[in-house]
Amino acid sequence: NAGVTQTPKFRVLKTGQSMTLLCAQDMNHEYMYWYRQDPGMGLRLIHYSVGEGTTAKGEVPDGYNVSRLKKQNFLLGLESAAPSQTSVYFCASSYWGLTKGADTQYFGPGTRLTVL
Amino acid sequence: DAKTTQPNSMESNEEEPVHLPCNHSTISGTDYIHWYRQLPSQGPEYVIHGLTSNVNNRMASLAIAEDRKSSTLILHRATLRDAAVYYCILGAIWGGSQGNLIFGKGTKLSVKP
Repeated sequence: NAGVTQTPKFRVLKTGQSMTLLCAQDMNHEYMYWYRQDPGMGLRLIHYSVGEGTTAKGEVPDGYNVSRLKKQNFLLGLESAAPSQTSVYFCASSYWGLTKGADTQYFGPGTRLTVL
Repeated sequence: DAKTTQPNSMESNEEEPVHLPCNHSTISGTDYIHWYRQLPSQGPEYVIHGLTSNVNNRMASLAIAEDRKSSTLILHRATLRDAAVYYCILGAIWGGSQGNLIFGKGTKLSVKP
């Protein structure tokens, strides 16, 4: 079991460039999430998915798009990167989310993104 | 979503117990209390969760006040590897939350040899 993996681990972009972050999980989880963490702060939810083919906005969705074409993968896209998107991005997954009782989220190792 | 209040930082000596407090005075009856921790340069990892009763697992114990307005994460013997930021998070059972965790700034635990 690899758990939750993220690709790439590091990336440097120039303002205006685009990129896609890939998250993969091998635990057959329904729920997947993308968070960002800025220095000295807690994590904030960007987008999430409650199952294959579904996506929804979280707390800070502007400037990002997501897709969940396969149950095991959750992609986060930046169409036109801005310096304000410099952050560490974490993906997480869980069986059914907290709406059906206590659940555990499993996090990936993170992607450190710098936008110049 | 109900909020939690934690001290910004705490220090402990290696091999001594650590009690990390969390206040959640606006907790609702359906909120679970979750604890996660984040080691340096890593993603958060689950520690423990509970609803009303105290809970124990191989990593820690969770003591929940009778009125549920506060809780304490207990590390029985701190090791250097326990140095991390510890997050106390409330999660609703039904409706409302779509399953995401609302992270605050947490408590940064330092462990001295």
